[in-house]
Amino acid sequence: DQQVKQNSPSLSVQEGRISILNCDYTNSMFDYFLWYKKYPAEGPTFLISISSIKDKNEDGRFTVFLNKSAKHLSLHIVPSQPGDSAVYFCAARRSNDYKLSFGAGTTVTVRA
Amino acid sequence: DTAVSQTPKYLVTQMGNDKSIKCEQNLGHDTMYWYKQDSKKFLKIMFSYNNKELIINETVPNRFSPKSPDKAHLNLHINSLELGDSAVYFCASSLIDSEAFFGQGTRLTVV
Repeated sequence: DQQVKQNSPSLSVQEGRISILNCDYTNSMFDYFLWYKKYPAEGPTFLISISSIKDKNEDGRFTVFLNKSAKHLSLHIVPSQPGDSAVYFCAARRSNDYKLSFGAGTTVTVRA
Repeated sequence: DTAVSQTPKYLVTQMGNDKSIKCEQNLGHDTMYWYKQDSKKFLKIMFSYNNKELIINETVPNRFSPKSPDKAHLNLHINSLELGDSAVYFCASSLIDSEAFFGQGTRLTVV
């Protein structure tokens, strides 16, 4: 049973524009959320995280928004660059729990 | 300077064989994990060790046996390999309440 869902398998965006990736979760006990980026033949790389006590966290071009009531989070990439083309995984866990639950990933393609 | 390294990167083997995947981290983390990415691309946790003690053991066939000789190493041994074991296996490590760092993955193909 998938507790973290990324319903858009792919996203294509023009260079310089905004990329918005969405993620939904079903487990209300989750209180820590992460985004990972993955290039082909490499492992996932941590990108940004957010705790449930916040509704926004920003790091350079990357911003994560959390809507707890809707059990929804999103990742905004502004502006999108060709190097952002990768698979993005949403993940979630409970505090003091080592186990991460992952979504299926969204493949982002940034067009020149 | 590799943070989490796993070997081999590719592994092709016949059904019924026994194989091992090794993982080492030099980040000083106290927790290590094995994740499996199946054909549908889902990443699912298999095992986790904290300070050499098993803390997570998901529903995994007992043909899979993790071994942690010390905090910096977590190996995965698989007995009697089956076609359905074909997947990419990722090792990861973390400190408690912090993000996990992943290795590059081992693509296992059982023929």
